[in-house]
Amino acid sequence: AQSVTQPDIHITVSEGASLELRCNYSYGATPYLFWYVQSPGQGLQLLLKYFSGDTLVQGIKGFEAEFKRSQSSFNLRKPSVHWSDAAEYFCAVAPRGNAGNMLTFGGGTRLMVKP
Amino acid sequence: GAVVSQHPSRVICKSGTSVKIECRSLDFQATTMFWYRQFPKQSLMLMATSNEGSKATYEQGVEKDKFLINHASLTLSTLTVTSAHPEDSSFYICSARPRNTGELFFGEGSRLTVL
Repeated sequence: AQSVTQPDIHITVSEGASLELRCNYSYGATPYLFWYVQSPGQGLQLLLKYFSGDTLVQGIKGFEAEFKRSQSSFNLRKPSVHWSDAAEYFCAVAPRGNAGNMLTFGGGTRLMVKP
Repeated sequence: GAVVSQHPSRVICKSGTSVKIECRSLDFQATTMFWYRQFPKQSLMLMATSNEGSKATYEQGVEKDKFLINHASLTLSTLTVTSAHPEDSSFYICSARPRNTGELFFGEGSRLTVL
């Protein structure tokens, strides 16, 4: 069965420091991969997605993610974190060819930013 | 990007009453909408897939008679929590997919508190 694992439940970084949020997936074939951000009490906003092609994907708000097939990973990175980045981050996968359906979410990583 | 709106954003009700949550796609038509449930500090769990003009498809373990879903038009899906109990208290999020794209857009979420 497909699954998405975000090993880190909480991460705290200082403002201006770099960030990497981990995501590993278990799937029959390489799925479509997504990262979403959720601010408290809000819905989800898509940060970036990977369907095919260049394995380094650029997203909004200065985020990027790198797909590594050999590691079944899709880690999210940002070179310099801002206080406004504090939120919950979800990695998600969808079956290839069915990006609009059947999203499976990871457990989420809560990012806290120290001044 | 496309906009999905949920109403109400917060609702408090007494045990035994029914509550309706609306999900609207404001600037596109959505033949398919999805309802998720999110417990505090947890990830999103897909409850059901709502198809315009037909019956919803429920995920395993989700009570159809408890969570009534109606997708009467291409821009509106409703989730009715019938005979609500305190354990139904949760954050409910909908998402919708425009006809010509695979990307999902999420609503802001609706927080239900059952007293």
